[in-house]
Amino acid sequence: DGGITQSPKYLFRKEGQNVTLSCEQNLNHDAMYWYRQDPGQGLRLIYYSQIVNDFQKGDIAEGYSVSREKKESFPLTVTSAQKNPTAFYLCASSKGLGDTQYFGPGTRLTVL
Amino acid sequence: EDQVTQSPEALRLQEGESSSLNCSYTVSGLRGLFWYRQDPGKGPEFLFTLYSAGEEKEKERLKATLTKKESFLHITAPKPEDSATYLCAVQAVYNFNKFYFGSGTKLNVKP
Repeated sequence: DGGITQSPKYLFRKEGQNVTLSCEQNLNHDAMYWYRQDPGQGLRLIYYSQIVNDFQKGDIAEGYSVSREKKESFPLTVTSAQKNPTAFYLCASSKGLGDTQYFGPGTRLTVL
Repeated sequence: EDQVTQSPEALRLQEGESSSLNCSYTVSGLRGLFWYRQDPGKGPEFLFTLYSAGEEKEKERLKATLTKKESFLHITAPKPEDSATYLCAVQAVYNFNKFYFGSGTKLNVKP
């Protein structure tokens, strides 16, 4: 079955550490996205990628970095520069930019 | 600034008690409006896309409708398994790569 996988499901980070969240899709989608979800707020876009080796900042990119070396993969690194990283992180993909987005199961990151 | 507002924030229904959730938006040129269902601790699951005023989509007990300024998600005779948070997102013609998400309506259906 085609779908989007994210790992790990739960992640704990000490202050000052960088961590990388994995996102893989086998839907043959060109576009991929990273969102952050906080209680009581709508999803906020961190980064998106329309095609391999190309990505754009979203609304809240500070303290985050991404890469898109393969069509199937779009990892997100949460750096120590991100001041409030505790949140639920969601990866999504779509056939093309602007098409319906389909989401992965999410990664919950907690900073200790 | 483009905004999406969902109401109510939370809704408690008895099993079988029909109701509607609202999603109002202020984008000036709507390209698409999307409804998702999200269970606790999981990613959103796509339900519907609506593109023009007057359009309706149905899936089991759910029906989504669209006007020029808002969308409704009607839930007919809900069951406990319909309990979830329902998210609305809109996409503007002039910036179609961005989805504007509302904060959701948390639905609780009691048996």
